[in-house]
Amino acid sequence: GDSVTQMEGPVTLSEEAFLTINCTYTATGYPSLFWYVQYPGEGLQLLLKATKADDKGSNKGFEATYRKETTSFHLEKGSVQVSDSAVYFCALSSGAMNRDDKIIFGKGTRLHILP
Amino acid sequence: DAGVTQSPTHLIKTRGQQVTLRCSPKSGHDTVSWYQQALGQGPQFIFQYYEEEERQRGNFPDRFSGHQFPNYSSELNVNALLLGDSALYLCASINSGGHGETQYFGPGTRLLVL
Repeated sequence: GDSVTQMEGPVTLSEEAFLTINCTYTATGYPSLFWYVQYPGEGLQLLLKATKADDKGSNKGFEATYRKETTSFHLEKGSVQVSDSAVYFCALSSGAMNRDDKIIFGKGTRLHILP
Repeated sequence: DAGVTQSPTHLIKTRGQQVTLRCSPKSGHDTVSWYQQALGQGPQFIFQYYEEEERQRGNFPDRFSGHQFPNYSSELNVNALLLGDSALYLCASINSGGHGETQYFGPGTRLLVL
C-alpha cells in the first residue's frame, strides 16, 4: 500500500541554519504530496503542497519539490528561526484533486531551533 | 469563519467505557474524516463520512464507529476502550465539490484511557 518515510528526529539546528528534512514515498498512480506542521499543543496545519511531478510547493520560506523520478518531496528552508520549532509531517493523498482521499502521513520529524 | 472545531478538548476514560467525540466542519465543507494520532506518531486514517455515510475506512476495528448529521457535523464513537486507544483524535473537513482544495484539520481531542 501507499506509504511515506521521513527522516527521524529530533533535528536540532541553530537559528539561521539551513534545513533539510528528507521524505520519500511509495504510491500507485500520481499522488498529491504535502508537508504539515504541528506546533506544540496545536492541531495540524498545512504548510505546503504539490500535486504533480516537478511542482514546487512553498510557504513561509519553506520549499519542497515533487520529484517523481526519486519519489521524494524533501522540505528545505534557507534560514530557520526559533519559531520554526515544531513537528513536521510529510504526507500523501491519492485521491482526485477535488475530492481528497485519505491522507497517509509519515511518522513526523521534530525540529528544535536554538537561539 | 471558525474553521474545524472539536469537542471536548480533553477526555479521561477507563478501560471498557465508551466515548463520543464531536466535530463541526469548516463552513462550506461537506466531508469529514477522522484520524488517530498516537504519541510520537503520525496521524492514522480511521474513516471518512460524506452525505451521512461512511465512504472509506482505514484499518481500525468495529469498536470505532461514526456518524454524520445533515448539517455535516460528525461524531466518532469508540466502544470497549483499551489503553491503546489513548491518543489525539483529529477531525478534518473538505468541500468535496471544490477543486484543488485540501483538508483542514481541527485542534483535536486528547483522549486518555486509564
